[in-house]
Amino acid sequence: GAVVSQHPSRVICKSGTSVKIECRSLDFQATTMFWYRQFPKKSLMLMATSNEGSKATYEQGVEKDKFLINHASLTLSTLTVTSAHPEDSSFYICSARAASGEGTGELFFGEGSRLTVL
Amino acid sequence: AQTVTQSQPEMSVQEAETVTLSCTYDTSESDYYLFWYKQPPSRQMILVIRQEAYKQQNATENRFSVNFQKAAKSFSLKISDSQLGDAAMYFCAYRSAFSGNTPLVFGKGTRLSVIA
Repeated sequence: GAVVSQHPSRVICKSGTSVKIECRSLDFQATTMFWYRQFPKKSLMLMATSNEGSKATYEQGVEKDKFLINHASLTLSTLTVTSAHPEDSSFYICSARAASGEGTGELFFGEGSRLTVL
Repeated sequence: AQTVTQSQPEMSVQEAETVTLSCTYDTSESDYYLFWYKQPPSRQMILVIRQEAYKQQNATENRFSVNFQKAAKSFSLKISDSQLGDAAMYFCAYRSAFSGNTPLVFGKGTRLSVIA
């Protein structure tokens, strides 16, 4: 099956610093990647949709200047949390669409990244 | 916009017994996909089962099966012969088949406990 790798799995940073999370499709080309945020014991909330080579589309209420998304290649999308604050602490998960899997509608998930801002 | 509702925040089942998790959704589309995902403590999202809306036959995957009622917009998950490893958070999800850029829309989840 299609594999998505997300790194780092855990990161702790000081308030005011920036953190980059990478999402890689290892064995397929991901034309579209989705970034989700999950609070403890809550559901996954879509933050943004990124397409390779174009600007990400952000959901209402998500600050595009705080959560910078770059999808520069067909196998890599990055989420940068800029000037992180404790309220940005959360679990971030990426998922990717593989063209070959479109008939099933399935998206493939990374392992997730737990961000803790002190 | 599509919505997914899981009305059972928590469920429990005895080991080896059967449990059914409920899910309803709201959409005006006719072509879409439905999924059940399992999220264990590791937080990795694991696909349990999927259903294409155009298929009338209910999907099955070993001990997991669904009851898909398109007219009622209902998509329940039945877990047979429950095992301790089935304990996890279960999310019902909807995805439009309109284009490849559509994301998954998740319900709030049901936490399943399995009692030995």
